[in-house]
Amino acid sequence: DAKTTQPTSMDCAEGRAANLPCNHSTISGNEYVYWYRQIHSQGPQYIIHGLKNNETNEMASLIITEDRKSSTLILPHATLRDTAVYYCIVRSMDSNYQLIWGAGTKLIIKP
Amino acid sequence: DGGITQSPKYLFRKEGQNVTLSCEQNLNHDAMYWYRQDPGQGLRLIYYSQIVNDFQKGDIAEGYSVSREKKESFPLTVTSAQKNPTAFYLCASSIGRLIMNTEAFFGQGTRLTVV
Repeated sequence: DAKTTQPTSMDCAEGRAANLPCNHSTISGNEYVYWYRQIHSQGPQYIIHGLKNNETNEMASLIITEDRKSSTLILPHATLRDTAVYYCIVRSMDSNYQLIWGAGTKLIIKP
Repeated sequence: DGGITQSPKYLFRKEGQNVTLSCEQNLNHDAMYWYRQDPGQGLRLIYYSQIVNDFQKGDIAEGYSVSREKKESFPLTVTSAQKNPTAFYLCASSIGRLIMNTEAFFGQGTRLTVV
């Protein structure tokens, strides 16, 4: 089973920041948080991952709480092309290093 | 450009026939994976390979077979033993399976429909 909990769906206005929450209350100290997104009928696209510190790249920022029990993916200036399903995944040695995929959050960017 | 190529994008099969899905990567990755995705759900692991001539069953391997004769290629055969083969199939690769701090790259998928 997936070790994360995400809202089923979210809306965001075009040009605003999209903040996608993820709960992973049972995460262990050596487990990474990964984010992928999947635009309809395409393969998943890697966005970002982190262990303890906040991370930023050209696509997004990842904010991990100090206790590591939750995180937030931030798309700073959402565009219509950011409409997708966003998956938050905890990667664990306990699950044989596999990515265990939940149902994700359907993010809809509105004009 | 480096990446993963899956072919074909759409595939139709008659019941009782085997069909092979192609996956090729030029990223020089050791690990490769096959996933299945059903509507509205996340991905489920079918098979993975950590190195040439080695592969392991994932969570839903029944009715599927794979081979890994070359580093670049990891074809998946959907056999007639797979009871519900209609799905979206995704291939992925990564530098190594046992490296926690590295991402997987995905192909664009093959949508298989049994008619």
